[in-house]
Amino acid sequence: QVQLVQSGAEVKKPGASVKVSCKASGYIFTSYYMHWVRQAPGQGLEWMGVFNPNGQTTTTYAPKFQGRVTVTADTSTSTVYMELSSLRSDDTAVYYCARVDAGLMDVWGKGTTVTVSS
Amino acid sequence: EILLTQSPGTLSLSPGERASLSCRASQSVSNTYLAWYQQKPGQAPRLVIYGASRRATGIPDRFSGSGSGTDFTLTISRLEPEDFAVYYCQQYGASSWTFGQGTKVEVK
Repeated sequence: QVQLVQSGAEVKKPGASVKVSCKASGYIFTSYYMHWVRQAPGQGLEWMGVFNPNGQTTTTYAPKFQGRVTVTADTSTSTVYMELSSLRSDDTAVYYCARVDAGLMDVWGKGTTVTVSS
Repeated sequence: EILLTQSPGTLSLSPGERASLSCRASQSVSNTYLAWYQQKPGQAPRLVIYGASRRATGIPDRFSGSGSGTDFTLTISRLEPEDFAVYYCQQYGASSWTFGQGTKVEVK
């Protein structure tokens, strides 16, 4: 079945970077874009960006994250990576990857908790 | 950027009652790209409605979506215990996705 398996929780200091992975299975990896969405504690969902694993089009990031987030992929392992730099305390959140199907987020990973604390 | 405003923030209802959740957009949204997601505590969101009115796979028919342009509604005809959750509307347009702030449906 279609599945997205994310990496484990991370604790980082302010100013550091974090790299979260999302391993896809059960479908043709390069045929679907991948979103990244985050959710701060007790808050709503915030879209971060969308990535095309086949590398043929430019990744689109939400303006708020431009310059701080980088999404890459390893097609040999069907894994997408999201790296967020210059971490601040308000980056503490659960980070989700979600497959895109016709603009919709039809399959989600279980989320990766990133805690930023000195 | 299209902003989505959901109301009410919290809906307190009893099982068996009808729930109506509103999502208003700051500018017109294509029906094709208006969706609703359900999120329960500690879980990832789950797609409930897409194309404004189409139920996702496995979603019971007590869930329905309606609306067009800037006003959309998610209706749950008779609340079951498993329906108490937070619901988010979401739109896609011009390579940008946005979510509403969510409506919590809680047990009265």
